[in-house]
Amino acid sequence: GEDVEQSLFLSVREGDSSVINCTYTDSSSTYLYWYKQEPGAGLQLLTYIFSNMDMKQDQRLTVLLNKKDKHLSLRIADTQTGDSAIYFCAESDNGGSQGNLIFGKGTKLSVKP
Amino acid sequence: DVKVTQSSRYLVKRTGEKVFLECVQDMDHENMFWYRQDPGLGLRLIYFSYDVKMKEKGDIPEGYSVSREKKERFSLILESASTNQTSMYLCASSSPGTVKEQYFGPGTRLTVT
Repeated sequence: GEDVEQSLFLSVREGDSSVINCTYTDSSSTYLYWYKQEPGAGLQLLTYIFSNMDMKQDQRLTVLLNKKDKHLSLRIADTQTGDSAIYFCAESDNGGSQGNLIFGKGTKLSVKP
Repeated sequence: DVKVTQSSRYLVKRTGEKVFLECVQDMDHENMFWYRQDPGLGLRLIYFSYDVKMKEKGDIPEGYSVSREKKERFSLILESASTNQTSMYLCASSSPGTVKEQYFGPGTRLTVT
């Protein structure tokens, strides 16, 4: 079945770049997503990338997609303490009903001052 | 500004009680979802609905039921709460479309004692 894998923890120093990696299994996913969950809150869509793109940049965020390897990454430049959160990678559940997403388990990013 | 609200942020119930978790969205979205989030397990889909009075089982429906009498409201019911249902419950909604962005509520942290 479809699965999305990501490492559970990442720790970086303030000002460094963070790279959060994700692998997925469904090559027919049209879009791939990154969600952010701040402490005590729900998830919020951070960015997404269309599957025919290799890269998408949005201010400090860069998403890289390697479709051949089914690998997605999120790079946060100049990481700040406010970036401390759990980051979820997600793909569309094309085998299921409309609107469903398959989420990874989330990567907890800790930013040390 | 889009909004998904959940009836309670924190809830403490006793084993065997019937528990209602309410979710309301103001975006006229067709799709609504209930997830539970546990450390190390990420988000797991309990039930979802893509229309009024429609419901579909997700990955872990056992011990839960849902109700969607109105488009804006999706209720999760724990028929007889058990301690292994202690968790964070997240509601989300989305509209059918190419980009399947889900909007999340803030979550309800349920403790069953």
